[in-house]
Amino acid sequence: EVQLVESGGGLVKPGESLRLSCAASGFIFSDTWMTWVRQNAGKGLEWVGRIKAKADGGTTDYAAPVKGRFSISRDDSKNTLYLQMNSPKTEDTAVYYCAKFRGWGWIDFWGQGTLVTVSS
Amino acid sequence: DIVMTQSPDSLAVSLGERATINCKSSQSVLYSSNNDNYVAWYQQKPGQPPKLLIYWASTRESGVPDRFSGSGSGTDFTLTISSLQAEDVAVYYCQQYYNTPYTFGQGTKLEIK
Repeated sequence: EVQLVESGGGLVKPGESLRLSCAASGFIFSDTWMTWVRQNAGKGLEWVGRIKAKADGGTTDYAAPVKGRFSISRDDSKNTLYLQMNSPKTEDTAVYYCAKFRGWGWIDFWGQGTLVTVSS
Repeated sequence: DIVMTQSPDSLAVSLGERATINCKSSQSVLYSSNNDNYVAWYQQKPGQPPKLLIYWASTRESGVPDRFSGSGSGTDFTLTISSLQAEDVAVYYCQQYYNTPYTFGQGTKLEIK
């Protein structure tokens, strides 16, 4: 059974840092492209970024609003995905979902999400 | 960036009736080399993460009821629920994966009339 369990969310002040983790199980994590998607309260879905499998280069891509501030990484030995959030802004407040790709770019499984609140 | 625009924003349909949700992309998401449309559809119920319904614009995900179908090509896409059931009340999103940044439509809220 596929499982994605996010952790690390909470209250963070603007300009501080926060790291989210996503523990994966039930599939071959090292072969899988992974992504983070966020959702503001009562709002729609916003793609944050993705990381390819190491066999495909392990490269990352980011949405413009977070590029240069957020960083996605992976530890295949621990089956864990990370989102490093540096210099967060109040507009980064959202539920952050860890999710896995199947194929080119559709998401076939999502975690339950972790809430990040950026406020002073 | 490719902008995905859904219509309507909300929709109320009677049980057993057809529901149709539209999604328009700001540029074609049809890849000519394989003739595939890089569009997926998701369903999100309150308090839950989204769930994949359709990919390649018209391929139903395993386990998704066959009352859900996707169609369209190029820039215009449609999600159809042929006979609305009570459990279909949700917000539906389209997404393009033609290129990054991957983008979602704003969502369509489906309710029972």
